[in-house]
Amino acid sequence: KQEVTQIPAALSVPEGENLVLNCSFTDSAIYNLQWFRQDPGKGLTSLLLIQSSQREQTSGRLNASLDKSSGRSTLYIAASQPGDSATYLCAVKGTYNFNKFYFGSGTKLNVKP
Amino acid sequence: SQTIHQWPATLVQPVGSPLSLECTVEGTSNPNLYWYRQAAGRGLQLLFYSVGIGQISSEVPQNLSASRPQDRQFILSSKKLLLSDSSFYLCAWSDPGSSGVGTQYFGPGTRLTVL
Repeated sequence: KQEVTQIPAALSVPEGENLVLNCSFTDSAIYNLQWFRQDPGKGLTSLLLIQSSQREQTSGRLNASLDKSSGRSTLYIAASQPGDSATYLCAVKGTYNFNKFYFGSGTKLNVKP
Repeated sequence: SQTIHQWPATLVQPVGSPLSLECTVEGTSNPNLYWYRQAAGRGLQLLFYSVGIGQISSEVPQNLSASRPQDRQFILSSKKLLLSDSSFYLCAWSDPGSSGVGTQYFGPGTRLTVL
């Protein structure tokens, strides 16, 4: 069974700092990996999706990378802002069951002004 | 563009009462539909998913059930709520199977409190 882990569980940084969030998965047979943002009391918003054949995706100040062989993905946030404060979750879609997504428990990010 | 709706946004129910949460999707056809539950400060727990009308896969045996009476409608139900059912419930959809990009999209969620 696929297991997805996100470390650290919480992170506090000063505004302007570049930071990296980590996501690891146990089964490298994935279809894609998706990063989400969740604000308190809200649903999840998709940030970036990386297909299994890709190595990275970029959107604005966000860059997500994927290393299937090592079972890792990172989300890089450049020049962090207080508005980036949220919980970030990663999810993988497996190749054995295309209908299921496996989520990590998230990293709660606090960017201090 | 696609839109996903959930209602109600918040709900307070007594223990032992029934539950019905509804989710509808617009702008797509034959989506995969999902119900997740998220306890405070925790990750998502997959409860049910559906690949078509009347087709429900249950991931966690408990006092909840799901139904899909129409292509873009997904309902989460319970006959008798427990205190432990208090949680944040999220509905989501994705393209079916291996088609499309495989992105998952979420609704705004329902905050359920059982007293």
